[in-house]
This record gives sequence, C-alpha cells and structure tokens, in this order.
Amino acid sequence: NAGVTQTPKFQVLKTGQSMTLQCAQDMNHEYMSWYRQDPGMGLRLIHYSVGAGITDQGEVPNGYNVSRSTTEDFPLRLLSAAPSQTSVYFCASRAQGSSGNTIYFGEGSWLTVV
Amino acid sequence: ELKVEQNPLFLSMQEGKNYTIYCNYSTTSDRLYWYRQDPGKSLESLFVLLSNGAVKQEGRLMASLDTKARLSTLHITAAVHDLSATYFCTSGTYKYIFGTGTRLKVLA
Repeated sequence: NAGVTQTPKFQVLKTGQSMTLQCAQDMNHEYMSWYRQDPGMGLRLIHYSVGAGITDQGEVPNGYNVSRSTTEDFPLRLLSAAPSQTSVYFCASRAQGSSGNTIYFGEGSWLTVV
Repeated sequence: ELKVEQNPLFLSMQEGKNYTIYCNYSTTSDRLYWYRQDPGKSLESLFVLLSNGAVKQEGRLMASLDTKARLSTLHITAAVHDLSATYFCTSGTYKYIFGTGTRLKVLA
C-alpha cells in the first residue's frame, strides 16, 4: 500500500545548486501534481500533469521543471535553487473520470536552501 | 482564474461548541474537496463534494456544497480537542487551487 511516495524527505541545498524531487505513485493515476507550502500558508500549485507526456503550469511554476515520461513518476526539478524556494513540497495524484474522487498526497519533502 | 477563499483564518473554540468554516470559490468547477492537516504532516482527505446540494458527514464534521452560490461549508458539531488542526478546501478541475486554510484550536 505505497500510495504516493516522495523522496527525499529532507534536503539542504546551497544557493545555485540543482536537484530533483522524486514522486512515484502505484495506483495507476493519470493526474499528478506538485505543490509547495510555505510556513503557515496554504498549498500553491507548481505544475501538474494529466497523463504521460502532458504537463502544464500551475500558480507558481518559475524556477521549476517537470516531465512525465511514465504514468508512475512525476519528478520536480529545481534548476538553480534560491532561498525563496525553501518550503515543503507535496506531490499528489488522483485517478481521472468518475472514479477519481480523492486526491492522494505524499508525505512531503522538506527543502532548505541556504 | 479560479480563486478560493476561506474564512475564518483562525478559529479558537470551546469544546462542545458548534461552528462553521466557509469556503468560497470564484469559478465553476467539477468538485470541491476538504482536507485536514496536522502540524508537520501531510494532508488527510475528509470530503469530496461532487454536485450541487451534496452533503457528507463523518463524525462531528459535515460538509455541504452550493454550486450556485459557489460556497461550501464545513460544520463542526460539539467540537473536541482532537479536531484541532488546519482545514483546507480546494476546488478546480485539473488546476486545483487551495484556500488559505482555517487554523482551528479547540480549547478544553
């Protein structure tokens, strides 16, 4: 019962470094998305995907890249980390259509950029 | 562009009391979700509301949806300390936008 798995759980980066946050789901969900949550705030959508090969921008896409080469995986790339990207990142997925009622979230990845 | 607003942002209430959290959204969408988040944790799904007039209940929580008013409510009945958490609503089709959250503290 893995659900949505995010790695790493914690990461410290130096300004200017790049890294990839991994997200995998084993529920065969077409829809996947990435959010960031700053302290005391709500979640803001970074990028989302409605299927393999299809991605689109959310509310705050700048500084992040995504790709969706398989249904299972949706990695989030930070191109050149900045302190403003210090946040908690959540990956989410849901099935499409009438069966896709629930959005499932991963446990989160805590990222600090120094 | 879809906007989702919640109020109140903070809610401190006594155990045993009732209260309602409001979620307004700006454009039509096909569903409305409520989530709970405890400090340092991920989001836990509470309710998915799919149609106008939908009402769902789980324990002391009841959610409803009025698509004409673009309003959803989360009603808390006889609050207990274990309900202390932050509650979020979100709406959209693929581009799910979250409200700012309501931080609920239930006092013994």
